[in-house]
Amino acid sequence: GDSVTQMEGPVTLSEEAFLTINCTYTATGYPSLFWYVQYPGEGLQLLLKATKADDKGSNKGFEATYRKETTSFHLEKGSVQVSDSAVYFCALIDSGSRLTFGEGTQLTVNP
Amino acid sequence: DTGVSQDPRHKITKRGQNVTFRCDPISEHNRLYWYRQTLGQGPEFLTYFQNEAQLEKSRLLSNRFSAERPKGSFSTLEIQRTEQGDSAMYLCASSLGLALFEQFFGPGTRLTVL
Repeated sequence: GDSVTQMEGPVTLSEEAFLTINCTYTATGYPSLFWYVQYPGEGLQLLLKATKADDKGSNKGFEATYRKETTSFHLEKGSVQVSDSAVYFCALIDSGSRLTFGEGTQLTVNP
Repeated sequence: DTGVSQDPRHKITKRGQNVTFRCDPISEHNRLYWYRQTLGQGPEFLTYFQNEAQLEKSRLLSNRFSAERPKGSFSTLEIQRTEQGDSAMYLCASSLGLALFEQFFGPGTRLTVL
């Protein structure tokens, strides 16, 4: 079945540091890929998405590129802020309508 | 507020009791989803509706769980004879139309079974 694997957390960075959160997936078809973010005390929010190979999703300074050859969708940001502290989830939709999530990566950014 | 709402936000119950949660989706959204999230894990799909029809159910949805969306608007998720393993955050999401449209999540109902 479909699965998503994220890098183990938690991740702690200083403000303005570069962020990479790795995500790889297994799917039988051609999935669409997503990054969701969960801020403390809030619901899940879509951060960015990519629907086909080589697409780049971007939002709020975050980027991720759909790499079919490596089955990856790594999340990057050039300069993180304290306000980026949250849990980040990589997810996919394959042939159906269900989202399959990774286990999440807790990011803490210190001033 | 036009987002997805869930009620209650927190529920504490004793093992063996029945509980029911409600989800109100964004008004024009015809798809509604239920997920379950345990501590330190990502959400896991339970079931989804298109209008009032329940189109898919996960193997996670044991026969103690039942979901309804009687008029294609709000939905309820009932758990009968709760077990301690049912303790989790229950998330509802809604979307408009096709699968690739964004799923908008509610704040969740946190269930604690004592």
